[in-house]
Amino acid sequence: DAGVIQSPRHEVTEMGQEVTLRCKPISGHNSLFWYRQTMMRGLELLIYFNNNVPIDDSGMPEDRFSAKMPNASFSTLKIQPSEPRDSAVYFCASSSRTRSGELFFGEGSRLTVL
Amino acid sequence: QQPVQSPQAVILREGEDAVINCSSSKALYSVHWYRQKHGEAPVFLMILLKGGEQKGHDKISASFNEKKQQSSLYLTASQLSYSGTYFCGTEISGNTPLVFGKGTRLSVIA
Repeated sequence: DAGVIQSPRHEVTEMGQEVTLRCKPISGHNSLFWYRQTMMRGLELLIYFNNNVPIDDSGMPEDRFSAKMPNASFSTLKIQPSEPRDSAVYFCASSSRTRSGELFFGEGSRLTVL
Repeated sequence: QQPVQSPQAVILREGEDAVINCSSSKALYSVHWYRQKHGEAPVFLMILLKGGEQKGHDKISASFNEKKQQSSLYLTASQLSYSGTYFCGTEISGNTPLVFGKGTRLSVIA
């Protein structure tokens, strides 16, 4: 079975540019989470979806960040405009609430904003 | 709401034991433990749902004290493969997302 698939794995961009990160959750999972990992803050929850509906986006740092889940097999996290402090590893994870609630993480997208 | 983990880092020799603690200021529904190796994604180790519950995974086990709002991860007879950063994640209800601690970096040396 394919796990959670994220793209791109690495992104280097200049300040002010738009960044779009993509995630394909595990088929059949009904919850999807976006986390950001930095040395200072650890793993921070940005937003999560249940059945494609955003439930809690209180972790989204600013209006520059937005996330969508147009269907059960695809989600995007967009940063516009990007800033150097957005540099981090962004993880997408999915889970099935009908089971143990275990999170399955993607490999992450490492973002560097110059 | 972020749980507090201790210690922040620990270095062990192969065969030694370690305990990693995770405490919360809020009543907990569950505690999850994950391990992340350098440059990789976090990987699930175990979940504890009931007060006083203990679980084991090979030589890695954990306990959850619901009253004290804390959990401990026990690594016995550590192996080189145990090296990584261990995260606890806590839920305050069955419908809330996991909030992770800042992690404990474990290094096992020969």
